[in-house]
Amino acid sequence: QVQLQESGPGLVKPSETLSLTCTVSGGSISSYYWSWIRQPPGKGLEWIGYIYYSGSTNYNPSLKSRVTISVDTSKNQFSLKLSSVTAADTAVYYCARLKVGATATLYYYYYMDVWGKGTTVTVSS
Amino acid sequence: QSVLTQPPSASGTPGQRVTISCSGSSSNIGSNTVNWYQQLPGTAPKLLIYSNNQRPSGVPDRFSGSKSGTSASLAISGLQSEDEADYYCAAWDDSLNAVVFGGGTKLTVL
Repeated sequence: QVQLQESGPGLVKPSETLSLTCTVSGGSISSYYWSWIRQPPGKGLEWIGYIYYSGSTNYNPSLKSRVTISVDTSKNQFSLKLSSVTAADTAVYYCARLKVGATATLYYYYYMDVWGKGTTVTVSS
Repeated sequence: QSVLTQPPSASGTPGQRVTISCSGSSSNIGSNTVNWYQQLPGTAPKLLIYSNNQRPSGVPDRFSGSKSGTSASLAISGLQSEDEADYYCAAWDDSLNAVVFGGGTKLTVL
């Protein structure tokens, strides 16, 4: 059974870069899409972006200028970098496996079927 | 302001049937399938319904999903105390080229 585990610093200073890694265990990172999602304290979910195991990416337009998602297939890991952080970036960050495809009637589906437990990142000096 | 619109709260008594709505537009729900996630207090979200009405293995058949036009609904029948959680709808948005979520609905079991 595939499991995901986020790791990285829990405290980041304003204007610096937030860096997190998601380690995939119990299965291969290959042939799947992988995603980052965040949840500010007391608020809803926000999708950050995804990466295919081959390296192609897609980011939320609201974060695109500051986000980089990368993959290391040799380590079965993918990573998130968010630059120029502010207090508004304080959140629980989740990594997840993203299922992507189309139905027989050409409706596209994108859903996160396996989630990590999440890691809290606080932006503060 | 979320792209998909959900009621902020819903409630019901044990055994009751409750529905949660999710409203979108032609670029998201109208063009793609809808998914629902359940987030129990203090835990990560869990996939509850995918592709409008499909249940992952292990999800009780008390949970069901439907979609019509640019709206979707999650129904929970035989409500139980352990169903008390936040529920989020989500879909791909063709205009934004992104996954979009509803703001979430907090379900209280009275």
